[in-house]
Amino acid sequence: AQSVTQLDSHVSVSEGTPVLLRCNYSSSYSPSLFWYVQHPNKGLQLLLKYTSAATLVKGINGFEAEFKKSETSFHLTKPSAHMSDAAEYFCVVGNSWGKLQFGAGTQVVVTP
Amino acid sequence: IAGITQAPTSQILAAGRRMTLRCTQDMRHNAMYWYRQDLGLGLRLIHYSNTAGTTGKGEVPDGYSVSRANTDDFPLTLASAVPSQTSVYFCASSSQARNSPLHFGNGTRLTVT
Repeated sequence: AQSVTQLDSHVSVSEGTPVLLRCNYSSSYSPSLFWYVQHPNKGLQLLLKYTSAATLVKGINGFEAEFKKSETSFHLTKPSAHMSDAAEYFCVVGNSWGKLQFGAGTQVVVTP
Repeated sequence: IAGITQAPTSQILAAGRRMTLRCTQDMRHNAMYWYRQDLGLGLRLIHYSNTAGTTGKGEVPDGYSVSRANTDDFPLTLASAVPSQTSVYFCASSSQARNSPLHFGNGTRLTVT
């Protein structure tokens, strides 16, 4: 069985300040982990993925995430938020045969 | 531009009516998926297809059917729509290599009245 929990439904940050989106997972197997971003009226777009290589994963648009097995976490960070980062973000866990479980999403608001 | 095309973009449908949501991809991906997105629930898998000619049930298949006659097209049909099927529907595809990312369409916003 696998599950994913995004710990914050909404995050508000000021432009230029760091962003932290928290994700915890549970999996019976060595998981694959993904972060997707969804802008208004658009489909989801892959930000980054972890597949048992380096634990610190760099993605597009300056985002990165760190896989911490001991904490079963895969938090997403960005050093400096931009207005264009306002969107909804989804953490996703996948098992060894490709079944995906989506988190409920975190809505990010960026204020000037 | 390569990608996934969904149609219609939005639709208001009377309960009891039949509706087919269309999805076409031009990336020659083997696997295709239909998800519904509801507030606070993330995305939930309705049906999937690992290759042309095969389909499977996802997490919430009841009330929906799919077909996969060829690689490019994966239509989703609601035989008799109910208000609980009001949602945003996303079609996605992947190359099906293990851990390959999903490519999403822009969604169909469906309201069943």
